[in-house]
Amino acid sequence: DAKTTQPTSMDCAEGRAANLPCNHSTISGNEYVYWYRQIHSQGPQYIIHGLKNNETNEMASLIITEDRKSSTLILPHATLRDTAVYYCIVRDSGGGADGLTFGKGTHLIIQP
Amino acid sequence: KAGVTQTPRYLIKTRGQQVTLSCSPISGHRSVSWYQQTPGQGLQFLFEYFSETQRNKGNFPGRFSGRQFSNSRSEMNVSTLELGDSALYLCASSLTGQGFSGNTIYFGEGSWLTVV
Repeated sequence: DAKTTQPTSMDCAEGRAANLPCNHSTISGNEYVYWYRQIHSQGPQYIIHGLKNNETNEMASLIITEDRKSSTLILPHATLRDTAVYYCIVRDSGGGADGLTFGKGTHLIIQP
Repeated sequence: KAGVTQTPRYLIKTRGQQVTLSCSPISGHRSVSWYQQTPGQGLQFLFEYFSETQRNKGNFPGRFSGRQFSNSRSEMNVSTLELGDSALYLCASSLTGQGFSGNTIYFGEGSWLTVV
């Protein structure tokens, strides 16, 4: 799976949009971008995933650049409960059963 | 529907003992994988089971083992516990496995193991 690069930490004011960037410059054509978050002492929570088109669900939006070398996770109206470590992961679309490779992620802190 | 369920949530063991952790996947999911999370190494893949067969294994010693039952429930076992095995052990399930990114992997809340 391709390697990802994320900022170590970010702050965001409560009620504002939180934009979390992820660089995956070596991504290949059949690799999806997945986002998870982990709140302290809990298991990782799935947020969203996409291949090339932008995606939106009830939790967040995922914007993938046209060249697919980077993406941004957007939490539209951040709350204090969104404080967590956010992981960006790229996964091959077929074959194999290798484990997910989690980097260090971005520690997002929502400020009141 | 119910999520991935792991038991026990917390446990303390003595060095040299062995431990068994249990995982019930989301109903209908046939793939179960296990991860270890420590402050120093982060989240690391242990192994994955599908239809009672281990399909892939991470880079862990043979003291770490697992199995999957016909109802997709899984257990992992760590023998001869070491202090360094203290960690959060996470179970994850998906419909058909980690290699197929069309299906999402969902995690349980984990089992906190402390070895003293």
